[in-house]
Amino acid sequence: SQQGEEDPQALSIQEGENATMNCSYKTSINNLQWYRQNSGRGLVHLILIRSNEREKHSGRLRVTLDTSKKSSSLLITASRAADTASYFCATDLGFQKLVFGTGTRLLVSP
Amino acid sequence: ETGVTQTPRHLVMGMTNKKSLKCEQHLGHNAMYWYKQSAKKPLELMFVYSLEERVENNSVPSRFSPECPNSSHLFLHLHTLQPEDSALYLCASSQDRGEKQYFGPGTRLLVL
Repeated sequence: SQQGEEDPQALSIQEGENATMNCSYKTSINNLQWYRQNSGRGLVHLILIRSNEREKHSGRLRVTLDTSKKSSSLLITASRAADTASYFCATDLGFQKLVFGTGTRLLVSP
Repeated sequence: ETGVTQTPRHLVMGMTNKKSLKCEQHLGHNAMYWYKQSAKKPLELMFVYSLEERVENNSVPSRFSPECPNSSHLFLHLHTLQPEDSALYLCASSQDRGEKQYFGPGTRLLVL
């Protein structure tokens, strides 16, 4: 299986609801990052959480990291139709190497 | 706009053609990356350049040849590609190791 695996693969919610995506990984990491990608476009960095941090916030985003379980979650609160995109976690293994997961496709309906 | 540009945005080429993808970053970063994104597959790291030196070559076939003439520009030279090389090719840059990466919009490549 992959170093980074997101769960669920796809998520469909209504505007105003919260969206939670999970990421599991297998090896020790320096940090874990979340990215967003609109269809067929480049990725946009959302948030970086270091291995010695447990929780981080940025606007409507909340990221948690549990290094004992090798897992992270991304919570988007009060979702909007514009949040529709694919979301990827990426683990920093060192040596300038980020390993990306397969992503969660989020659909937010008006 | 992330400060990373890629040209062309779309490219159709035959298996015998030679083409090049170009990436330029206006952020003063010292590391640049090429990724391949195929349908239903994780993003694959192809090459990493740090201070214009290649530091990662992720078992990429020799029909892909990167070039980094300076810290702002990165090329991916393509020759005798296969249909399975059709994908979205993404360029990214970062300031330091392991820090967040800034991605370009990608080049959508179709090999016929």
